[in-house]
Amino acid sequence: GENVEQHPSTLSVQEGDSAVIKCTYSDSASNYFPWYKQELGKRPQLIIDIRSNVGEKKDQRIAVTLNKTAKHFSLHITETQPEDSAVYFCAASWYQLIWGAGTKLIIKP
Amino acid sequence: EAGVTQFPSHSVIEKGQTVTLRCDPISGHDNLYWYRRVMGKEIKFLLHFVKESKQDESGMPNNRFLAERTGGTYSTLKVQPAELEDSGVYFCASSQAGGMDGELFFGEGSRLTVL
Repeated sequence: GENVEQHPSTLSVQEGDSAVIKCTYSDSASNYFPWYKQELGKRPQLIIDIRSNVGEKKDQRIAVTLNKTAKHFSLHITETQPEDSAVYFCAASWYQLIWGAGTKLIIKP
Repeated sequence: EAGVTQFPSHSVIEKGQTVTLRCDPISGHDNLYWYRRVMGKEIKFLLHFVKESKQDESGMPNNRFLAERTGGTYSTLKVQPAELEDSGVYFCASSQAGGMDGELFFGEGSRLTVL
């Protein structure tokens, strides 16, 4: 079936450095790619999304890039802060959302 | 405005018992989804309601799982009888727009532990 691979499963970065999380999808018909953030004990929340007619989207310190040919998309967080610590999920959809396994991002002080 | 609420937040049951999880979506959201996440793995789709109708239940693992959404408001997900592999966090999400290119609003999840 369709799947989304997400890497790495855990990412530890120094506060102030950048973090990159990568996802690869299998369904070439996918046209919507959201990223959700789940802080410890809280609900997943949408932080940014991109549609297949756009290659890059930025919102303050976070950005998402999409390479349709290679079928992969990435989340970039710059100038990381302690509040960025969370589990991040990528997903891809055409009909139903297919989710990645999540990346636990740890920001070291 | 109240967000999506789920109950219970955590349930511990013995294998063979029954558990019912409840989800109250955001008022006015016709679309309601159930997902499950086993520890460390991906969030897996279970089913999708549009109002009271099951739009897609292709993700339901087997007939031990029964979801309802009477009246198109809150939804319940019953597991009967529960098995060890049913353990995980069950998320409910709702959305206003149809189609899978709009924001999903999640509940905090119901953690199910089957012993």
